[in-house]
Order: sequence, then structure tokens, then C-alpha cells
Amino acid sequence: GNSVTQMEGPVTLSEEAFLTINCTYTATGYPSLFWYVQYPGEGLQLLLKATKADDKGSNKGFEATYRKETTSFHLEKGSVQVSDSAVYFCALSGVAGNTGKLIFGQGTTLQVKP
Amino acid sequence: EAQVTQNPRYLITVTGKKLTVTCSQNMNHEYMSWYRQDPGLGLRQIYYSMNVEVTDKGDVPEGYKVSRKEKRNFPLILESPSPNQTSLYFCASSLLGKRDSPLHFGNGTRLTVT
Repeated sequence: GNSVTQMEGPVTLSEEAFLTINCTYTATGYPSLFWYVQYPGEGLQLLLKATKADDKGSNKGFEATYRKETTSFHLEKGSVQVSDSAVYFCALSGVAGNTGKLIFGQGTTLQVKP
Repeated sequence: EAQVTQNPRYLITVTGKKLTVTCSQNMNHEYMSWYRQDPGLGLRQIYYSMNVEVTDKGDVPEGYKVSRKEKRNFPLILESPSPNQTSLYFCASSLLGKRDSPLHFGNGTRLTVT
């Protein structure tokens, strides 16, 4: 079946460090891929998305490239800030018969220290 | 402002006492869904609805009910809550028909069942 696996957290970085959060997926067909971010006490917000192989999603300095050959969608940012501290979720869509459904990874907590 | 509104934000109740968590969206979305978020498990879908009077089970529907009498509202009902339903609950909505249509989330309801 369809599934998403993220690297375990928490990830702790110093401000201005480089961030990578790994995400791999298993899916039939051609899913769309998403990264969502959850700030403390809030719901999830869409961070970026990609809909086909080799697409790159980007937003707020974050990037992720849809790699079909490695079934991956790793999240990267060149220089993190304290305000990036949050939980990050990788997700895929395109489940047959339940087209609005997202399948989420378990989430990765990012802590950025000044 | 486009939003998904859930109420209440926090709820403490006792085993067996029926409760309802309300959800409303103002974006005219066809698709609405409930998720629960538990540590280490990410978000799991409880129920979803693809339009008025059309609802279906997600991955963890046991102990929950929903209804979709109007397009904007999608309440979650726990007829006889139990402690294993203590969790963080999110309502979400999206457009149907576009595979990359993102889910819009409410701010969550933290439920504690004692």
C-alpha cells in the first residue's frame, strides 16, 4: 500500500545551519507530494508541493525535489532560523477512491537554537 | 479570510459522556476530513466526506461518527468516548478534482478522556 517514511527526530540545529529532512515514499501510480509544517499550538500549513517527477517545490527558503527513481522528497533549507522550529510532515496524495486523502509520515520535530 | 474553524480547542471529558467537535469551512470545499494526531504515528484519517450526505470511513473510524448535512459543516461525534481516544484532532478540507489540491487544516482540538 501507499506509505511515507520520514527520518526520526528531533533534529536540533544551530541558527544558519543547513537542514535536510529525509522523506521516502511507497505508492502505486503517480502521487503528488507535499511538505506541511506545524507550528506549536497550530494546525498544519502547506509548505510546498510537487506534482510530477523532477518537479521542485519551494517556499520560504525551503526546497524539495520529487525524485521518482529514488522515491524520495527530501526537504532542504540552506540557513535555518529559530522561527523555523516546528514539526514537519511529508505527505502524498492520489489514493484511488479517496482522492482528497493525504497519507502522512510520522513527522519530524526541528529545534533551532540561537 | 479562508479558514477551517474547529471548536472547542480543548476538551476534557469522562468516559462514556457523548461529545461533538464542530468543524466549519468557508471555502466551498467539497472534501472534508477528520484526522487524529498521536506521537510517533503522524496523522491518521478517521472519516472523510466527498460531498453533502456522502461520508466514508478512513483508517481509524472505530468509536467515531460524522455527518455532512451541509457543505460547510462536518462535525465529529464520539458517542461513548474512551481513554484511547485521547488525542489531538484536526479537521481539514480541500477542493476535489485536482490531484495537487492542498488540504486546509483547522487549529486542532485537544481531547482528554479520563
